[in-house]
Parts: sequence; structure tokens; C-alpha cells
Amino acid sequence: EIVLTQSPGTLSLSPGERATLSCRASQSVSSNYLAWYQQIPGQAPRLLIYGVSTRATGIPDRFSGSGSGTDFTLTISRLEPEDFAVYYCQQYSRSPRTFGQGTKVEIK
Amino acid sequence: DVQLLESGGGLVQPGRSLRLSCAASGFTFSSYAMSWVRQAPGKGLEWVSAISGNGAGPNYADSVKGRFTISRDNSKNTLFLQMNSLRAEDTAIYYCAKDLSREQLVRPGFFDYWGQGTVVTVSS
Repeated sequence: EIVLTQSPGTLSLSPGERATLSCRASQSVSSNYLAWYQQIPGQAPRLLIYGVSTRATGIPDRFSGSGSGTDFTLTISRLEPEDFAVYYCQQYSRSPRTFGQGTKVEIK
Repeated sequence: DVQLLESGGGLVQPGRSLRLSCAASGFTFSSYAMSWVRQAPGKGLEWVSAISGNGAGPNYADSVKGRFTISRDNSKNTLFLQMNSLRAEDTAIYYCAKDLSREQLVRPGFFDYWGQGTVVTVSS
């Protein structure tokens, strides 16, 4: 199975700052089949991005995704208070579908 | 609006069974694959099982294969997960998710909507 490794484990930033989250795959993710989810504590995950860089419905444009092959990035251009959460990447290139272990973005 | 509402969780002893349900609304249920994804306490997300829109080709994570069975009733817009021979490591929040897999799950997809989850605790 494809193992996804996210870094850093925790990112401590202030509102207004830029957040850069990394997701590295153990094998190439074909056709750019990579998604990102946001999970606020106590809530269900929410789809942010699919196909590496396509924002889901209603997702603000401060969220952007990039990358290819085995290296992917989620960028939040200017952190809003509601963005402090845990973020997961997920590959759907190959079964079984797998998730990264998550990056927590916390208020500094 | 898409809504997914899970139920059926609870406290169960190791080796026993539990059946989860997920009531769906706001979309044409029979047209979409559905999945169960779980999250152990303080841990990340783990895909558990998926089923295509017409019920064909269910598949399972190795960790639950042979113990869990996914099914659906398209007449009632409901997804199920029958969990047998439960173990302590099955303790988790179980989410149902609308699954954008295509071609009877041959082409796996991502999850565009999630329910709020139901808690399963396996303990003696």
C-alpha cells in the first residue's frame, strides 16, 4: 500500500501567517489522485482539495494545493482563526486508499 | 444539502458484534459508492470498507477483512456495517462518507461528504 508521511507533525503559527504542509508518498501517486481534508477537534473531516489542486465547493481561495509524483503541499496563504485544525492528505491512486497521519496547525 | 447520519455505536465486549447504520439524504444515494472510515482515539483516519452504488464489489481493509461486512439498502437510502468478532483495536469513531469512486470501485475516489460519526468502544 502507499504510505503517506506528513510533515511537520505540528505547526505553530499566528493568525495572518502562511502555513505550508507537506505530504510525501512512498510510491508515485498516479494521475494526481491526492486529496486534503481539514478536521476541527470534535468534528468530522471536511474535504478541502482533490486532484492535488482543485478546491472543493465552498473552500476559500486562501487554501491551495500543489505537487506531483511523491511530493505534495497544502498551503494556507493567511491563517484565519477557523483554520487552526488538523489536516490530512489522502491518496486515491491505488487501493487501499490511505491517509497521512496528519499535521496539526496550532495557534502560536 | 447532503446529510449523513450514523447510528448504532456503543460499548461492546471483545468477540461480540455490532451493526452500524448511516442514513443518507440530499443526493441520489443509489448513484454513489459509500465508505466507512474510522478514527481511533487520538489517531488519524483509516479507510475501512467501501461498496458501489448498486452494492457490487465491496472491499475491505486487511484489518477488518473476514470480520466486517458492508451492505446498503437503496430503497431506504441507508448504509450498514456489520462488525463481528470485535477487538479492542476496533475502538474508534466510525464515519460514513460519500465516496466518489467510479466503475464499481475499480477506480478509487476521494470522500466529499462525511457524517458526524458514531463511537464504538470494545472493552470488557
